Amino acid sequence: GNSVTQMEGPVTLSEEAFLTINCTYTATGYPSLFWYVQYPGEGLQLLLKATKADDKGSNKGFEATYRKETTSFHLEKGSVQVSDSAVYFCALSVSGGSYIPTFGRGTSLIVHP
Amino acid sequence: DTGVSQNPRHKITKRGQNVTFRCDPISEHNRLYWYRQTLGQGPEFLTYFQNEAQLEKSRLLSDRFSAERPKGSFSTLEIQRTEQGDSAMYLCASSLAWDLGSGTDTQYFGPGTRLTVL
Repeated sequence: GNSVTQMEGPVTLSEEAFLTINCTYTATGYPSLFWYVQYPGEGLQLLLKATKADDKGSNKGFEATYRKETTSFHLEKGSVQVSDSAVYFCALSVSGGSYIPTFGRGTSLIVHP
Repeated sequence: DTGVSQNPRHKITKRGQNVTFRCDPISEHNRLYWYRQTLGQGPEFLTYFQNEAQLEKSRLLSDRFSAERPKGSFSTLEIQRTEQGDSAMYLCASSLAWDLGSGTDTQYFGPGTRLTVL
C-alpha cells in the first residue's frame, strides 16, 4: 500500500534559520508528491508539488526535490519567517487510478522572532 | 472564483442529532472529495465524486454517513445520529481531474467544518 512518513514535530526555529522537514514515502506505481500547509483554523493549501523523479517543486521560498532513489521529498527553506508557523503535510497520489492522496501526519513548525 | 467554500465553519451538536455540511467546489472542477481530520493527524479520505457519481467510499464512512452531489456542483455530507467520536474537522477538496499517464490530480481544499458533538 501507499504511505507517507514525516518527521515528528514540533520543529522550533528562530527567524531566518534554515528549515528541513523530512518526508519519505512508499508507493505502488509512480506517485506525484505534494506539500500542503495548514494555518490554524484553516483548511490545507497546496504549497508545492512534483510529478516525476528529480523534479523540484518550489513556492514562496520553499523547495522540495523528488528523490526516487531514496523515496524522499524533503521540504526546505533557506530563511524562515514567523509567518511560516503552521502545520506542513506531505502527501502522495498515484496516477492511473482514483488519485486519492495519502497524507502524512503533519509536522508543526513554530518560528520565534 | 474564490476557491472552495464550506458551510457552516463550526457546528456544535448534541449526541444523537443529525448534521449536514455543504461544500461548494471551484466551479469548473469535476471531482469533489470529503476528508475527516482529527487533531494531530493528516486528512483521512472519506469519499469522492466525479461529477454527480460517487465513485469511492472509505471504510471510515459508516452507514450513518451519506454524501450527495446531485447536480455535479455542490455536495452535502450528512451524519445521522452523531456520536462523540464524530467530532473532527471535515474537509472538502475539489480538482479538475485529468489522467494522461504521468498526469496528476491537484486538490484544492476548503477551510473545513469543525464539528463538536457534546
